[in-house]
Amino acid sequence: KQEVTQIPAALSVPEGENLVLNCSFTDSAIYNLQWFRQDPGKGLTSLLLIQSSQREQTSGRLNASLDKSSGRSTLYIAASQPGDSATYLCAVLPISNFGNEKLTFGTGTRLTIIP
Amino acid sequence: NAGVTQTPKFQVLKTGQSMTLQCAQDMNHEYMSWYRQDPGMGLRLIHYSVGAGITDQGEVPNGYNVSRSTTEDFPLRLLSAAPSQTSVYFCASSDRQATNEKLFFGSGTQLSVL
Repeated sequence: KQEVTQIPAALSVPEGENLVLNCSFTDSAIYNLQWFRQDPGKGLTSLLLIQSSQREQTSGRLNASLDKSSGRSTLYIAASQPGDSATYLCAVLPISNFGNEKLTFGTGTRLTIIP
Repeated sequence: NAGVTQTPKFQVLKTGQSMTLQCAQDMNHEYMSWYRQDPGMGLRLIHYSVGAGITDQGEVPNGYNVSRSTTEDFPLRLLSAAPSQTSVYFCASSDRQATNEKLFFGSGTQLSVL
């Protein structure tokens, strides 16, 4: 069974610093990996989706990388801002004939940017 | 577009009571799903639907019922609430069941069962 781990569970960083969030998964037979953002009292918002054939995806100050062989993905946030404070979750989709019902989510990293 | 709308935002139930969590989307999405989120655990799939009239069980379906009579609505019914069902519930939808479709989430329902 696929297991998705995000360590650390919480991270505090001064404003302006670059930072990396980690996501590890046990089964490398994945179709894609998504990074989500969750604000307190809100639902999840999809940030980036990386196909298994891709190495990275970028959106603004966010860059997500994928290394299937090592079972790892990282989310790089450049020049962090207080508005980046949120919980970040990753989710992996296995290679199969199915869709989003097969997503496995990590437990998330709660990020706090200190002004 | 409102996206995915969940009601209510908060609910307190007594053990044994029943209730329905509402979910509606205005994006004409075929795929809809319900998750629960508990501390220290990732989101877990309760039920999902790939279109009107079609539903299936996810990882943790016991104690919950769903139906999909229209494309827009996907209500989740708790038949006889138990304290173990205290959780935050999220509804999510995507255009299709396909593998490349981003999920859109509602803002959640925080449920406490006493």
